[in-house]
Amino acid sequence: EAGVAQSPRYKIIEKRQSVAFWCNPISGHATLYWYQQILGQGPKLLIQFQNNGVVDDSQLPKDRFSAERLKGVDSTLKIQPAKLEDSAVYLCASSLYRRNTEAFFGQGTRLTVV
Amino acid sequence: ELKVEQNPLFLSMQEGKNYTIYCNYSTTSDRLYWYRQDPGKSLESLFVLLSNGAVKQEGRLMASLDTKARLSTLHITAAVHDLSATYFCAVEKLVFGKGTKLTVNP
Repeated sequence: EAGVAQSPRYKIIEKRQSVAFWCNPISGHATLYWYQQILGQGPKLLIQFQNNGVVDDSQLPKDRFSAERLKGVDSTLKIQPAKLEDSAVYLCASSLYRRNTEAFFGQGTRLTVV
Repeated sequence: ELKVEQNPLFLSMQEGKNYTIYCNYSTTSDRLYWYRQDPGKSLESLFVLLSNGAVKQEGRLMASLDTKARLSTLHITAAVHDLSATYFCAVEKLVFGKGTKLTVNP
């Protein structure tokens, strides 16, 4: 079965610019997660969707980050405007159900803000 | 706020030796996940532990869960170089620890 697809793989932008990341989860997976992983740290949950509804966005910096999952399938994460500290790998993951099942991760998008 | 602590954060060990990585978490949870991450790569699921006393083994890795102690362990038996990676535990809605970077030396 196909895995979680993310694009782009790499992105370099200047601070104050905007950027968007795309994620296509595994077919049939109802739950979708976006994580931010700064170099040398564990992934930090930004937002969790169940189908097209938001379950948890408590750690999403809503003044600059936004995410949507239209039709409960693909998702986009946007940063506007970007700051230097946003440089990180952005990981998308999906799972069958919200509880008790492991999540499968995509390859991530490495963002560098200069 | 749920906190997940792993120790050690860095582990250098010789091939053939045994060692244990610990994962403590701050609030009650009945599910815990272990993941592996190779440099520059994404996360690979290793184990899903869903009940107190759960034990799972895959090759040289064995994971266990004690929900009363809020503790999970990842035991490495007779380490080989291929096990070199960063290992993460995660609890509940995938709140991750900081990871344990394991290096297995010949």
